[in-house]
Amino acid sequence: DVKVTQSSRYLVKRTGEKVFLECVQDMDHENMFWYRQDPGLGLRLIYFSYDVKMKEKGDIPEGYSVSREKKERFSLILESASTNQTSMYLCASPGGDGGGEAFFGQGTRLTVV
Amino acid sequence: LAKTTQPISMDSYEGQEVNITCSHNNIATNDYITWYQQFPSQGPRFIIQGYKTKVTNEVASLFIPADRKSSTLSLPRVSLSDTAVYYCLVGDIYNAGNMLTFGGGTRLMVKP
Repeated sequence: DVKVTQSSRYLVKRTGEKVFLECVQDMDHENMFWYRQDPGLGLRLIYFSYDVKMKEKGDIPEGYSVSREKKERFSLILESASTNQTSMYLCASPGGDGGGEAFFGQGTRLTVV
Repeated sequence: LAKTTQPISMDSYEGQEVNITCSHNNIATNDYITWYQQFPSQGPRFIIQGYKTKVTNEVASLFIPADRKSSTLSLPRVSLSDTAVYYCLVGDIYNAGNMLTFGGGTRLMVKP
């Protein structure tokens, strides 16, 4: 019954490394989102994609990029990881034309040391 | 973008009905109201969505007055497992980036 899968539950990376977070959805949805969640700051939107090869910046895109080569897969890329990117990262995919019920992955807790 | 305001936290006891109110004074005509629940170390989970009046499902009810400037999530007879953060979202369901903007949420603590 899994609908949105994130490739890793926990990751530890070193400062300066290039980091890839992968998200796959099996619902044939157009839209996919990446958030980060930090204590006291809630969920903040990094990027979203509404179609293959299409992307839009969210509220905090700095330091991140994304890739959507296939409909089911949306990757978040940290070009050069920094300690302030230590966070919980959540991928989501809403149904229908964008709204309705959104399905979230289980989250990836990334620690940059 | 309609901004939402919710209480930061609420306490309740098992078996009670819990009502969490969300204010959204600037809601637009095309905006829907959606509530999500989040447990620690998990992604948010959809609870309910509505446009006006009342919506009910097996988990909760959503009450929306005629002016739509607020909404109330009602959880009947809560249990300890309902302890979570509840988010109210307002947006146009046909505009994905608009629809999934999260506010601070309400942290509900259910006590025995």
